[in-house]
Amino acid sequence: GENVEQHPSTLSVQEGDSAVIKCTYSDSASNYFPWYKQELGKRPQLIIDIRSNVGEKKDQRIAVTLNKTAKHFSLHITETQPEDSAVYFCAASPGSGAGSYQLTFGKGTKLSVIP
Amino acid sequence: SAVISQKPSRDICQRGTSLTIQCQVDSQVTMMFWYRQQPGQSLTLIATANQGSEATYESGFVIDKFPISRPNLTFSTLTVSNMSPEDSSIYLCSVSPPGLENEQFFGPGTRLTVL
Repeated sequence: GENVEQHPSTLSVQEGDSAVIKCTYSDSASNYFPWYKQELGKRPQLIIDIRSNVGEKKDQRIAVTLNKTAKHFSLHITETQPEDSAVYFCAASPGSGAGSYQLTFGKGTKLSVIP
Repeated sequence: SAVISQKPSRDICQRGTSLTIQCQVDSQVTMMFWYRQQPGQSLTLIATANQGSEATYESGFVIDKFPISRPNLTFSTLTVSNMSPEDSSIYLCSVSPPGLENEQFFGPGTRLTVL
């Protein structure tokens, strides 16, 4: 089955700096890669996603890049703010066949933005 | 976007008992899933709740321990049976809207403590 590795496990940045979180996946058939933000005591929230036919996607201060050849994808947050502090999870979904919509999650990155 | 609710939001149970968690959506959805999130950990898929048929369980999860029902396109239940302290966790349902089967949106979760 799919295996998703996520790094780093913790990340501290100064407010205004950029943060980058990286994930690798094992199943070359995976074609959907979402990112979730989970604040303490809250549900995971989908913040951005990318599909295998796209190399990069941006939404204001958040961007995701995908390298299918190397089987890795990254989340980039620019101009970080204290409210960006949370745990971020990457995930991957199989491309086809049984279970094609099931998500396999990385272990998460705890981002702390220091004012 | 769909509004997802879960009941109960939290519960404290005695070992050996069972608890049924409900997930209700305010609109019809294609896919419904159940996840477990142990304290400080990532999300692990328990099963896909299939409307009108038996759920599809992931490796390590069995129907006798986690029976699931999905009687229609807006409702599902997860039962945690014969509980032990190791079952203490947050249980989350997620749903995929029609036409967006890859995207998953999470309910608020049920925090379960087993004594």
